[in-house]
Amino acid sequence: NAGVMQNPRHLVRRRGQEARLRCSPMKGHSHVYWYRQLPEEGLKFMVYLQKENIIDESGMPKERFSAEFPKEGPSILRIQQVVRGDSAAYFCASSPIVGQAQAYEQYFGPGTRLTVT
Amino acid sequence: KQEVTQIPAALSVPEGENLVLNCSFTDSAIYNLQWFRQDPGKGLTSLLLIQSSQREQTSGRLNASLDKSSGRSTLYIAASQPGDSATYLCAVRGRGSQGNLIFGKGTKLSVKP
Repeated sequence: NAGVMQNPRHLVRRRGQEARLRCSPMKGHSHVYWYRQLPEEGLKFMVYLQKENIIDESGMPKERFSAEFPKEGPSILRIQQVVRGDSAAYFCASSPIVGQAQAYEQYFGPGTRLTVT
Repeated sequence: KQEVTQIPAALSVPEGENLVLNCSFTDSAIYNLQWFRQDPGKGLTSLLLIQSSQREQTSGRLNASLDKSSGRSTLYIAASQPGDSATYLCAVRGRGSQGNLIFGKGTKLSVKP
């Protein structure tokens, strides 16, 4: 059973370009979480998605950031018009939700390291 | 608002020592607490998950305890090895949340041979 997969592992973008980060959850998992780790900072929650639904986006910056988890295919975190402050490691996690959702472990992918030049 | 603090921020020990990493959280209304390991430039590896109804969990040389009423958890590592060198992260899942984890900033552990 493959783990959570993220690609690309490293992404370099110039200021003003768009960044697309992909996350494929573990097999059988239908819930995805995105977190961001800024240099010298802890991981911060960004958004929680189920298939075709955004459940909680309270951690998402109000502008330029969006996320989706379509019925088919991976979850996508999209950053438009990137700025240097977006440089960070972006992690995706998934969990199997059966019954009480919050009881379950989250399994993390290897992350995408975004560098904005 | 839930806040998670980890002390110390960094720790260096000689190989073979037993050690304790500390985690504290401000709101005791949690579903569970999870300890992770993160190697430089890598993702997170889940080490132990403690449900709010549990007091401790063990896996090999690792033992994690949870005292929900006082807002504390400890990760005990027995007979430390150089391969244990990494950053250890504590995260809680609060009852007021939709399921997201709230992380501490981690303890960077270095085990010297």
